[in-house]
Amino acid sequence: AQTVTQSQPEMSVQEAETVTLSCTYDTSENNYYLFWYKQPPSRQMILVIRQEAYKQQNATENRFSVNFQKAAKSFSLKISDSQLGDTAMYFCAFMKPWGNGGSQGNLIFGKGTKLSVKP
Amino acid sequence: EPEVTQTPSHQVTQMGQEVILRCVPISNHLYFYWYRQILGQKVEFLVSFYNNEISEKSEIFDDQFSVERPDGSNFTLKIRSTKLEDSAMYFCASSATGNQPQHFGDGTRLSIL
Repeated sequence: AQTVTQSQPEMSVQEAETVTLSCTYDTSENNYYLFWYKQPPSRQMILVIRQEAYKQQNATENRFSVNFQKAAKSFSLKISDSQLGDTAMYFCAFMKPWGNGGSQGNLIFGKGTKLSVKP
Repeated sequence: EPEVTQTPSHQVTQMGQEVILRCVPISNHLYFYWYRQILGQKVEFLVSFYNNEISEKSEIFDDQFSVERPDGSNFTLKIRSTKLEDSAMYFCASSATGNQPQHFGDGTRLSIL
């Protein structure tokens, strides 16, 4: 079974600085998807970034980028120029491709990292 | 930007009662999901739904749970006889294809008394 581990329960960063959130996962699959979701205090789950395992290039979305190390099964999220609005719970998630032998949309989440951005 | 909408935002129900949580997925999405998050814990998959049938369900999704797409826009989760441990935040999500990112609603907080 796949597992997702986020080893940092809480982190803090000063506004405008850079922070990296860690995520490791365990799978025997070669093809899969990885995601970071953000959950602010309002509790809505917001997609931050998506990585396809067969793509070597790291995904980037504005101030958010990932460091995807497939051999190490590591998928960290870097937030540059942190803003107060980045304060949230961040969840790393794994999903096998939909289809025969794969999952049918089962997103497996880590326990989350609570990020506080301080002014 | 299109959103997944969920109603109600908060539902309080007596133990043993039936509850229906409602979701309107993004209009051109074909794949639908329910997740739950017990307070302070991680988000857990309940069920996925495509082409008017359940595609996958977790161990949590026992006989007390059911899902339905009663019309072209709504997607519902029913819990037949609620238990105290059903208290949680329930999230609906939808995606355009099975491999596209899932977009979540704001959730329904279910409190069982």
